[in-house]
Amino acid sequence: GDSVTQMEGPVTLSEEAFLTINCTYTATGYPSLFWYVQYPGEGLQLLLKATKADDKGSNKGFEATYRKETTSFHLEKGSVQVSDSAVYFCALSGPNDYKLSFGAGTTVTVRA
Amino acid sequence: NAGVTQTPKFQVLKTGQSMTLQCAQDMNHNSMYWYRQDPGMGLRLIYYSASEGTTDKGEVPNGYNVSRLNKREFSLRLESAAPSQTSVYFCASSYGPANTEAFFGQGTRLTVV
Repeated sequence: GDSVTQMEGPVTLSEEAFLTINCTYTATGYPSLFWYVQYPGEGLQLLLKATKADDKGSNKGFEATYRKETTSFHLEKGSVQVSDSAVYFCALSGPNDYKLSFGAGTTVTVRA
Repeated sequence: NAGVTQTPKFQVLKTGQSMTLQCAQDMNHNSMYWYRQDPGMGLRLIYYSASEGTTDKGEVPNGYNVSRLNKREFSLRLESAAPSQTSVYFCASSYGPANTEAFFGQGTRLTVV
């Protein structure tokens, strides 16, 4: 079945550092790929998504590119802020699926 | 701007007790979902409702039942709680299938002792 493997955390960074969180997937067909973010005490919210190969999703300075050849969707941000401290989830779904398959989540802490 | 509202936010149950988690959305979404979040496992789908009047099992449905009361509301029931159901439960909704954006509630932290 479909699955997502993401880099284990926790990750601790200083402000203005470069962040990358690796995500690889296994799926049949052409899934849509997502990054969701969960801030402390809140539910998940969509950070960015890509629906086909070579698409780049971007939002709030974060980027991820759908790489079908390496089955990857790595999340990057060039200069993190304290407010980026959160848990980040990589996820996928098939074209007509009602299920999101999530990775285990990566906890990121940014220190001032 | 309520979005997806879940109640309660916290609950402690004794083994064997029953309870219902409530969820309502005000975005006129067709689809609603219940997930559970466990450490190191991400979120797993318990049940979903693709549209009003339909419900389907997800990845981990055992021990749960759901009711899509109307387009806005989707409840999750634990008939006889077990310690293995200690988790954080999230309700979510979307306009269509999961490749459209899903909106999540703030979660219910449930402890079964």
